[in-house]
Amino acid sequence: DGGITQSPKYLFRKEGQNVTLSCEQNLNHDAMYWYRQDPGQGLRLIYYSQIVNDFQKGDIAEGYSVSREKKESFPLTVTSAQKNPTAFYLCASSIGRGREDIQYFGAGTRLSVL
Amino acid sequence: AQSVTQLDSHVSVSEGTPVLLRCNYSSSYSPSLFWYVQHPNKGLQLLLKYTSAATLVKGINGFEAEFKKSETSFHLTKPSAHMSDAAEYFCVVPPGSGTASKLTFGTGTRLQVTL
Repeated sequence: DGGITQSPKYLFRKEGQNVTLSCEQNLNHDAMYWYRQDPGQGLRLIYYSQIVNDFQKGDIAEGYSVSREKKESFPLTVTSAQKNPTAFYLCASSIGRGREDIQYFGAGTRLSVL
Repeated sequence: AQSVTQLDSHVSVSEGTPVLLRCNYSSSYSPSLFWYVQHPNKGLQLLLKYTSAATLVKGINGFEAEFKKSETSFHLTKPSAHMSDAAEYFCVVPPGSGTASKLTFGTGTRLQVTL
């Protein structure tokens, strides 16, 4: 099945710890995205990547880092600098061109602080 | 810059009655517009999209939306709600140009369907 796989589904972080969320896609999409979802705030863009080995900050990049070494993978690290990491994190991918470019989403990772 | 406003954070309907979820947009040109649906603890799924062709757009699961330029609206409707429609719905506008799909999301409307 083609799609986007996020793991783990649930993740717990201890204070001062970095944690990494995995996102893999087999849709052969060039562009990938990470969003943070908090209740009542919709989705906010953390980072996005239009091509391998390149990525840009979104609206709320502070306290997060990413890499894009392979086309199919776009892991997100939540660093200890992110003081309020508890949220639902969504990864998406798209062809990456044109006004009608549709994003396809994974099932999400819920991160909580211990 | 584009923006969308979802006028209701929560809508409750009885099963079998019509659904109306409201979205207004702001744009300096005629935009594309999308509706996405998110079931609890799941990712988002595209319901339908408007791309400047027909103003009445039909989507999956019996939903449709009408683009009204004079009212700057793109409301989502369904004639008869089903229990499985209970979810959160997002009105979304893509960027006007460029290759990166930096979508702008509304704050969402949670649809509750009661028996």
